[in-house]
This record gives sequence, C-alpha cells and structure tokens, in this order.
Amino acid sequence: EPEVTQTPSHQVTQMGQEVILRCVPISNHLYFYWYRQILGQKVEFLVSFYNNEISEKSEIFDDQFSVERPDGSNFTLKIRSTKLEDSAMYFCASGGGLADEQYFGPGTRLTVT
Amino acid sequence: DQQVKQNSPSLSVQEGRISILNCDYTNSMFDYFLWYKKYPAEGPTFLISISSIKDKNEDGRFTVFLNKSAKHLSLHIVPSQPGDSAVYFCAATGGSNYQLIWGAGTKLIIKP
Repeated sequence: EPEVTQTPSHQVTQMGQEVILRCVPISNHLYFYWYRQILGQKVEFLVSFYNNEISEKSEIFDDQFSVERPDGSNFTLKIRSTKLEDSAMYFCASGGGLADEQYFGPGTRLTVT
Repeated sequence: DQQVKQNSPSLSVQEGRISILNCDYTNSMFDYFLWYKKYPAEGPTFLISISSIKDKNEDGRFTVFLNKSAKHLSLHIVPSQPGDSAVYFCAATGGSNYQLIWGAGTKLIIKP
C-alpha cells in the first residue's frame, strides 16, 4: 500500500535560517496537511491545502510559514527564518477527499539551535 | 509497505457498549505504541500508550492491549460514549528513530 513519506527524518538548523521540509503525499490524494508537535505537547494543526491553495490555517501558521506543491508530487513546508520555538516534529498528511481521511507521514524532527 | 495497519476504515458501536479498535504492525523494532483521537480540522490528540515491556495499559475507560507475538494491539473503550465518535490512529515508534509510523485511522461512530 502507498505511504506518505517525509524527508529529512531529522533536520538541524541555526536560528534565523530558512528550512524546507519535504513530503511526498499518496499519489492520487488531493488534500494535504501539515501538523507539528513540540516535545511533550499535543499535535497541532498548521495548514491544509487543496487545489493549489491554502484552504485552512491555524494561528500558528503566520507569515514565517509557507506551503507549496511545486511539482505535483512534493508538498513542502518552508519556515523563512527559524526560531528556537520552531523546534518540533512536523507531520505531513494527505487525504483523498473523504471526511476525516488522512494518512500521516512519519515526521521530520526539526531542531533549531 | 505499510508498517502499521488499521484494517477497519470505520466502526459503528452502540452507546454504552464496548468499542474495540485494532492495529497490526510488521516492524519488530517498534517498542512503543500510541493511540490518538482526531476530530475534523484538529490535530490528533494523544489518548494512551503502551511500552513493549507491558501487555496492557489502562486509563479510565480506555485500555490498550499489546500482543507482541502476534504484532497486534487493540484499544478498548468501555462504555462507549457519543463524544468518542472520532477517527482513531494507531502509531508506533522504536529504536533511536524519533519518527512515528502511523496507521491509516479508523473512524468510530457511536450510535445513541
């Protein structure tokens, strides 16, 4: 069965640097999501994406964040100027369109130093 | 190849009865298993976990059972309540890898 994949598994970056987290959703899916989980805290919704545009975003998803589907297969999350508090596990998910259907990737652990 | 499988996309249970959600895994390196509950447009919420050194963990109405030889775990909710209606994800992790490997989720519907 197809899976959502994410790269890299662990990314270390310096504060102020730009970082791009990559996700390859399941190929026939149309809905895409990013979530994050700060260590010891709950998994938080960041953004959902459909038809090449953001359909919903949370308060966390401010101007420092952007998402893109550059080539029809990848779905990326860019953090423009990372802060220490951006350190977290970032999960990508994709869905085929049915309500509540989301397949999660294994996550990218982002460490900002 | 999916390492964590939830073979039932949905489950319908009468209020007050027991809900049993199942999860199978293939990777013997997994040593920690988690169940999450998810409502639409929200992130998954952690429910309960179990370490591979145990075969049962209980928290209120929620009990998780782990059968390592069968590489199978289950989440029991008893009694089921209307607020339990949600999608439930099984996830696993192991070794030095911080990543969580997720199942595809099971939608639980509690009927009044």
